[in-house]
Amino acid sequence: NAGVTQTPKFQVLKTGQSMTLQCAQDMNHNSMYWYRQDPGMGLRLIYYSASEGTTDKGEVPNGYNVSRLNKREFSLRLESAAPSQTSVYFCASSENSGGSYNEQFFGPGTRLTVL
Amino acid sequence: AQRVTQPEKLLSVFKGAPVELKCNYSYSGSPELFWYVQYSRQRLQLLLRHISRESIKGFTADLNKGETSFHLKKPFAQEEDSAMYYCALRNGQNFVFGPGTRLSVLP
Repeated sequence: NAGVTQTPKFQVLKTGQSMTLQCAQDMNHNSMYWYRQDPGMGLRLIYYSASEGTTDKGEVPNGYNVSRLNKREFSLRLESAAPSQTSVYFCASSENSGGSYNEQFFGPGTRLTVL
Repeated sequence: AQRVTQPEKLLSVFKGAPVELKCNYSYSGSPELFWYVQYSRQRLQLLLRHISRESIKGFTADLNKGETSFHLKKPFAQEEDSAMYYCALRNGQNFVFGPGTRLSVLP
């Protein structure tokens, strides 16, 4: 099993350009998440999807949109990139059946630079 | 509001010395707390969770509800423990992460 995969690994954009970050998991997890990681701020939740067909805003959703395409895939879109969106983006998934042992499994990250 | 704080951005200790990474939280309810670790060039991974009361790689963490703390401890640090450590709190369907502490174990 590959676990959680993300593409691309690196991306450089110009201000105003758009792009989609892709994430897929093969663990049949219900929940998927997008985080951004910035120095000194840890991981901040952008959006999450508790189950297929649902999405909810996290702590820092402005400037982003998401699509839960199916149970496996959860994409993050930047419609008009800004330098403030320069960050490392992590996708994660978890089995969220309401039980207590719901660890998150993370992808390798996408390093995005917006010039 | 749910919040996780880790007061130390960087913690340096010598090999063989005890280490304690601090984590405090604010949460109204019964918390579920986790420690995640990110080694250099590796993805973030679960280290341990309070509910299983386990010891992983010599690390332990005890939930202290009175002090709202979940500090991570290891009696004898090893160089391979050098990494970024994040404390996290499960908040319903999602997780709240602390800002992280970079542990550097010196030879």
